[in-house]
Amino acid sequence: AQSVTQLGSHVSVSEGALVLLRCNYSSSVPPYLFWYVQYPNQGLQLLLKYTTGATLVKGINGFEAEFKKSETSFHLTKPSAHMSDAAEYFCAATNRNSGGYQKVTFGTGTKLQVIP
Amino acid sequence: GAGVSQSPSNKVTEKGKDVELRCDPISGHTALYWYRQSLGQGLEFLIYFQGNSAPDKSGLPSDRFSAERTGGSVSTLTIQRTQQEDSAVYLCASSLVTEITEAFFGQGTRLTVV
Repeated sequence: AQSVTQLGSHVSVSEGALVLLRCNYSSSVPPYLFWYVQYPNQGLQLLLKYTTGATLVKGINGFEAEFKKSETSFHLTKPSAHMSDAAEYFCAATNRNSGGYQKVTFGTGTKLQVIP
Repeated sequence: GAGVSQSPSNKVTEKGKDVELRCDPISGHTALYWYRQSLGQGLEFLIYFQGNSAPDKSGLPSDRFSAERTGGSVSTLTIQRTQQEDSAVYLCASSLVTEITEAFFGQGTRLTVV
């Protein structure tokens, strides 16, 4: 069964500091991987995705993530945090399950706080 | 439509009443998902539709919860005899199944049971 683990339910960084949000997946086959962001009282918005090809993917708002198969990781980074980055971030994985259906599995989320 | 639409955006109901939450997915998206997000919690998977069938309803928390999808489009999540612990934001998402791709989310329905 596929699972997604996000280490740290809350992360605090200073404005201008590096943002690192961790995500590890467990899957029998390499999944497709996503990061979503959720601003207060809003739905989830796609930040970036990895499907195939280049393992370093760039997304919106200066975020990027690197797929590392050997570490089964897909950590999200941003070189310099901005106040507007304060939100909740969800890592997700998807693949064809045994029934041939695509199922999306989400991590439990990480709330990012940016300190002025 | 241009995006996933959910209605109502907010619903306050009395304990014991039934509620229906509606999701209108992106046109052409065969896959549809319902999730629940309780205060301070992550995303809890409820049910997955492919077309009108639900091959995975493993996340429905009790038999008070049911969902249907008609015409391969609109889906309704019904909660019978609501309880206070049902208070949460209910999110709907849709995606294609012809390729593995991301799910697109609606804005959610905030349900408050009083």
